[in-house]
Order: sequence, then C-alpha cells, then structure tokens
Amino acid sequence: GDSVTQMEGPVTLSEEACLTINCTYTATGYPSLFWYVQYPGEGLQLLLKATKADDKGSNKGFEATYRKETTSFHLEKGSVQVSDSAVYFCALMRRLTGYSTLTFGKGTMLLVSP
Amino acid sequence: ETGVTQSPTHLIKTRGQQVTLRCSSQSGHNTVSWYQQALGQGPQFIFQYYREEENGRGNFPPRFSGLQFPNYSSELNVNALELDDSALYLCASSFRLAGSYEQYFGPGTRLTVT
Repeated sequence: GDSVTQMEGPVTLSEEACLTINCTYTATGYPSLFWYVQYPGEGLQLLLKATKADDKGSNKGFEATYRKETTSFHLEKGSVQVSDSAVYFCALMRRLTGYSTLTFGKGTMLLVSP
Repeated sequence: ETGVTQSPTHLIKTRGQQVTLRCSSQSGHNTVSWYQQALGQGPQFIFQYYREEENGRGNFPPRFSGLQFPNYSSELNVNALELDDSALYLCASSFRLAGSYEQYFGPGTRLTVT
C-alpha cells in the first residue's frame, strides 16, 4: 500500500538557518504530493503541492520538487524564522475509483530559536 | 470566503458512549473527508462523502459512520467509544473537479475517551 516516510524530529534550528526536511514515498502510479503545516492547537494548512514529476511547489519561501526517480519530495527553505516553528507533514494523494485520499507521514516538528 | 469549521472544539466522553462531531465545508466545496490524528501521528483517512453518500473508506470499523447534508456539511458518528478513539478528528473539504482534489482542513475536534 501507499506510505510516506519523513525524517524524525524535532529539527532544531537558529533563525536564518537553512532547512531541509526529507520525505520519501511508496506508491503505484503517479500520486500528487503535498506538504501541510500544523501550528500548535490548530488544524492542517496546505503549504505547497506538486502534481507531476519534476514539478516544483513553492509558498512563503518554502519549496519542494517532485522527484520520481528517487520517490522524494524534500521540503526546503533558505532562511527560517521563529514563526516557522510547527509540525510539517508530507502527504500523497491517490485518486481511486470515485474518491481521493491523502496518506500522511508521521510529521516532523521544527523548532526555530531566535 | 468561509473556511472549514468544526464543532465542538473539545469533547470528553466515557468508554462505551456515542459521539457526534460536526463539520461545515468551505464555501463552494461539495466533498467532505474525515481523518483521525492520534497524538504524535499523521492523520489517517476515515471516509469521504460526496453527494450525500460515502464514496470511499479507510481501515476503520463500521462503528465509525457519517452523514453529508444537502448544504454539504457533514457529521462523524462514533458508537461504542474505545479508549483508542481518543484523537484529534479533522474534517477536510474539497471541490470535486477533474484533476483537482485539493483538500482544506478545519481546526479539528479533540476527543478524549476516559
């Protein structure tokens, strides 16, 4: 079945440091890939997406490239801020017969200190 | 544009009881999905509703059931609550259109079963 594996956290960085959160997936076919962010006490917010191989999703300084050859979708940001502290979830979407479903990784907590 | 809303925010129930959680989808969206997020884990797909019918289901027992109403709002019902049902329950809405299944999440309902 489908699965998503993320690097374990927490990832602890100082403000303005570079961020990479690794994500790899196992799925048949060509799923769409997503990164969601969850701030403390809140639901999930869509951060970025990519729907086909070599697509690059980007938003708020974050970016990720859909690499089919390595089945990866690593999240990167050049300079993190304290406000980026949150849990980040990598997910894939499969369009099955009549419906679609998201499969999530376990999440990676990011802690950014001033 | 109104986002996805859920009620209640928090709920405490006793093992064996029944619970109903509610979700109002984002304006213009016609599909609702429910996810269960256990502490420290990624969300897991419960089921999806479109046109008032369940059209996809994850690996959850029949005591998890739902409804979708003509205004696209939805309910999640859980009977015979077990301790392991304690989790954050997330509702996500989307607009079912060819090639576009992007899901937008509500803030969630935190259910505690004692």
